[in-house]
Amino acid sequence: DIQLTQSPSFLSASVGDRVTITCRATQGISIYVAWYQQKPGKAPKLLIYAASTLQSGVPSRFSGSGFGTEYTLTISSLQPEDFATYYCQQLNSFPLTFGGGTKVEI
Amino acid sequence: QVQLVESGGGVVQPGGSLRLSCAASGFTFNTYGMQWVRQAPGKGLEWVASLRFGKSDEYYADSVNGRFTISRDDSKNTLYLQMNSLRADDTAIYYCAKGRDNYGLDFDHWGQGTLVTVSS
Repeated sequence: DIQLTQSPSFLSASVGDRVTITCRATQGISIYVAWYQQKPGKAPKLLIYAASTLQSGVPSRFSGSGFGTEYTLTISSLQPEDFATYYCQQLNSFPLTFGGGTKVEI
Repeated sequence: QVQLVESGGGVVQPGGSLRLSCAASGFTFNTYGMQWVRQAPGKGLEWVASLRFGKSDEYYADSVNGRFTISRDDSKNTLYLQMNSLRADDTAIYYCAKGRDNYGLDFDHWGQGTLVTVSS
């Protein structure tokens, strides 16, 4: 099974900060990575697919990059509505797996 | 617009069974893969099962394989998850999710979730 390790697990930041979250896979998964945002009590929301493609309707301050085993989600200028938990997911092979999550707090 | 509405959650004793449903609307259901993802209280996301469109392929997490069955009724635009031999560690919010494209295994729409509690 492919394991995904996100870092950091918790991140304290301020409005306007540039934030980077890393997701490392235990084996190469090409561009088969997606990123989700989840707010408390809500379902996850797709932000990025194919490692770097912005999902329709997602603000351009979100971006993704990476290939192989290391991926990053970047928020260029953190907004109040961005405080949430972020998850990466690999869809290279079954079983599909998620990273452990990164909680972005004020 | 795309809507996914789960139902069927509740409290069940260990060893019991439950069937979850996910009613879909706003897209051509029979041309998309669908999946179940769960989240234990205070924990992260865990993929549970996937079903390709055309009912051709089913995939399960090791933790539920042999106990859970994913199925779909395209005439009713509904996805199901039959859960048998439930255990305490199956307690979670269960989300159904739509594949981003026909073969997609990333998920562009999610339901609101239904809570399953396994407890005596």
